[in-house]
Amino acid sequence: GNSVTQMEGPVTLSEEAFLTINCTYTATGYPSLFWYVQYPGEGLQLLLKATKADDKGSNKGFEATYRKETTSFHLEKGSVQVSDSAVYFCALSVRASGGSYIPTFGRGTSLIVHP
Amino acid sequence: DTGVSQNPRHKITKRGQNVTFRCDPISEHNRLYWYRQTLGQGPEFLTYFQNEAQLEKSRLLSDRFSAERPKGSFSTLEIQRTEQGDSAMYLCASSFGTGLDTQYFGPGTRLTVL
Repeated sequence: GNSVTQMEGPVTLSEEAFLTINCTYTATGYPSLFWYVQYPGEGLQLLLKATKADDKGSNKGFEATYRKETTSFHLEKGSVQVSDSAVYFCALSVRASGGSYIPTFGRGTSLIVHP
Repeated sequence: DTGVSQNPRHKITKRGQNVTFRCDPISEHNRLYWYRQTLGQGPEFLTYFQNEAQLEKSRLLSDRFSAERPKGSFSTLEIQRTEQGDSAMYLCASSFGTGLDTQYFGPGTRLTVL
């Protein structure tokens, strides 16, 4: 089956530090990959996505590159801010044999940024 | 665009009771998804609709779970004979399109089964 593995949290950083949150996946078929973010007290929202190998998704200073050879989609940001404190979810979606798209999420990684 | 709304936001019930949750998607979104999320875990896909058709329901957790979207607009998720293990956050998301489109999530309904 399909699965997504994220690094354990919480990740605690000082403001302006470099961020990496690791994500690896296993999938049957050719998935699209996503990062979602959940700010405190809010619903999940899409942060970025990539639909094919070597694509780079980017948004709000965050980036992730679809690496088929390593089955990875690591999230990076060069300089984090306190406002980036949230839970980050890596996810994939792949077309099942019946034609449906089945999303699979990782467990989430909590990021805490201190001033 | 008012976003995806879910009602109620919180539900406390006794074991064995039936509960129903409602999701109102973003207007004109043709796809609607239901997920369950437990503490420390990511959303777990349950089912989804394209318009009024339920295209995938094999991931519903048991036959106690059912979902409807009768007119292709709002949707309901019902859990019959609730168990303590059903306590979780139930999320709804909607999207527009036919492929790997961006999902917009609601705030969720938190269910507590006593």
